[in-house]
Amino acid sequence: DAGITQSPRHKVTETGTPVTLRCHQTENHRYMYWYRQDPGHGLRLIHYSYGVKDTDKGEVSDGYSVSRSKTEDFLLTLESATSSQTSVYFCAISAGTKIYEQYFGPGTRLTVT
Amino acid sequence: GQQVMQIPQYQHVQEGEDFTTYCNSSTTLSNIQWYKQRPGGHPVFLIQLVKSGEVKKQKRLTFQFGEAKKNSSLHITATQTTDVGTYFCAGQEAAGNKLTFGGGTRVLVKP
Repeated sequence: DAGITQSPRHKVTETGTPVTLRCHQTENHRYMYWYRQDPGHGLRLIHYSYGVKDTDKGEVSDGYSVSRSKTEDFLLTLESATSSQTSVYFCAISAGTKIYEQYFGPGTRLTVT
Repeated sequence: GQQVMQIPQYQHVQEGEDFTTYCNSSTTLSNIQWYKQRPGGHPVFLIQLVKSGEVKKQKRLTFQFGEAKKNSSLHITATQTTDVGTYFCAGQEAAGNKLTFGGGTRVLVKP
């Protein structure tokens, strides 16, 4: 498996609280992605990064922000968590875009009560 | 925006039988990738198809990319219990740098 870790692996939080999820890679890959996975929706892209301090929105970015201050770390922040953000969050990395596969981290299960 | 649809959403298969899952994109794709996610696990890359009409095989799995590069299929022969999981296709448009995932086909195998 590619060197990708996510922390925390599980989190329960209350509505309205801020939450930060961390993705860490040891592969020195340029591209990093945050997805959420919900039943019936597959994997939906939240935000992605194409380099340090370079990020862009995905299809479900509302309510989320990201930061990448180092190549190896990509942070996902929920400024004020809502119950609709209860999901499994996956981080992924890739060396490039075209013809490059993505490697996924183990996931973080977030429950917002 | 681009949409990728997969059918069926669920597939119950008797061990030893064959089945096919289909993937359709609303736009022409640059390439398509397939991933497998075991229950409780994370998606794992299986294969990528780039050329129109391309067919690739991995043991009992056969992947095909449509001539128009808007659809793809995964055919599994002689299904085994190790095939249990959810199979996702993911398409990339020529002008984009993101993958759009289909909803997945969840495969359950009856021994």
